[in-house]
Amino acid sequence: GAGVSQSPSNKVTEKGKDVELRCDPISGHTALYWYRQRLGQGLEFLIYFQGNSAPDKSGLPSDRFSAERTGESVSTLTIQRTQQEDSAVYLCASSLVQGPGSPLHFGNGTRLTVT
Amino acid sequence: GEDVEQSLFLSVREGDSSVINCTYTDSSSTYLYWYKQEPGAGLQLLTYIFSNMDMKQDQRLTVLLNKKDKHLSLRIADTQTGDSAIYFCAEKVRSWGKLQFGAGTQVVVTP
Repeated sequence: GAGVSQSPSNKVTEKGKDVELRCDPISGHTALYWYRQRLGQGLEFLIYFQGNSAPDKSGLPSDRFSAERTGESVSTLTIQRTQQEDSAVYLCASSLVQGPGSPLHFGNGTRLTVT
Repeated sequence: GEDVEQSLFLSVREGDSSVINCTYTDSSSTYLYWYKQEPGAGLQLLTYIFSNMDMKQDQRLTVLLNKKDKHLSLRIADTQTGDSAIYFCAEKVRSWGKLQFGAGTQVVVTP
């Protein structure tokens, strides 16, 4: 596709349920990032993929959060046993190559609401 | 450490210039970015500047970088109502591309 695609665009779930968020990066982009944006706040880094491996998972807030990437393409972010504090917009971004001159291109995000 | 700070709010009249300021703490930053976020949308890259540059101009946008003071600014000339959005400053510290974002500046353009 022309840009980074994320699905679903909105997700409402009950506390304690698991959710899966999907990201389709721009074709050919080897680097993929997940960020979280809480209401009225900046972006919080979660995890970075280079190809299918994740050299930096330092931003994942707890072991309830995990992510994988397959085929150097699609990535899924899974949140187990969701809590109300997980409510946020989850943004995915991709870039062409690693390195300082490669800007990140963002999707429109998945708005997660935990009730 | 990594810390990017921005003022939270800016109100500007249509047709005037807007200046959004940002400070960062990591002197090893390589690139600095400005992103725009409209309601309900993701982040749109506006412009970026390499750390060995002082200024970059792109149509109505002018980026100024004072590396000594670790200060970055974005000037929008002839601000329009469509420029109303949240503007994020971000720095790239490591070569592999993680961006450290500020909290964003809400710009409101009034007629």
